Amino acid sequence: AQTVTQSQPEMSVQEAETVTLSCTYDTSESDYYLFWYKQPPSRQMILVIRQEAYKQQNATENRFSVNFQKAAKSFSLKISDSQLGDAAMYFCAYRETSGSRLTFGEGTQLTVNP
Amino acid sequence: GAGVSQSPSNKVTEKGKDVELRCDPISGHTALYWYRQRLGQGLEFLIYFQGNSAPDKSGLPSDRFSAERTGESVSTLTIQRTQQEDSAVYLCASSLVSRQGNQPQHFGDGTRLSIL
Repeated sequence: AQTVTQSQPEMSVQEAETVTLSCTYDTSESDYYLFWYKQPPSRQMILVIRQEAYKQQNATENRFSVNFQKAAKSFSLKISDSQLGDAAMYFCAYRETSGSRLTFGEGTQLTVNP
Repeated sequence: GAGVSQSPSNKVTEKGKDVELRCDPISGHTALYWYRQRLGQGLEFLIYFQGNSAPDKSGLPSDRFSAERTGESVSTLTIQRTQQEDSAVYLCASSLVSRQGNQPQHFGDGTRLSIL
């Protein structure tokens, strides 16, 4: 079974600085998708960024980028120029190409200090 | 352009009662998912609908949990004889379906269920 591990329950960053959130996963599949979701106190899960495993190039969305290391099964999220609105719980998730469900990690609570 | 809508937003009920949670997916999304999120934890998959059928219901924790979907629209998650361990936020998501399986899931705000 696939598992997703986020080893940092909490992280903090100063406004305008850069922070990296870690995620590792376990799978025997060669093709799959990886996601980072943000969950503010409003509870809604917001898609931040996604990566297709067959693509070597790391995905980037404005201030958000990933470091995808397929051999190491690592998928970290880098947030540059952190803003107060980035404060939230961040979840890493995995999905098989043929599957339907998302498998989530336990989450990392990010605090942004002014 | 409405997103995924869930109701009620919050539900408090006594142990042993039945509850129904509702999800309205984004129009045109044929795939619908239910997840459970216990306090301070990640999301656990419950069930997946493709149209009216549920090809994957392997995440339902017990026979007290059931779900149905009418048309390619509203879904209802029912929990019978609720227990205190059922207390959680129940999140619904919907997505388009593609052969590649790369369509993102769009989530609602969830229903916070509290069992007294």
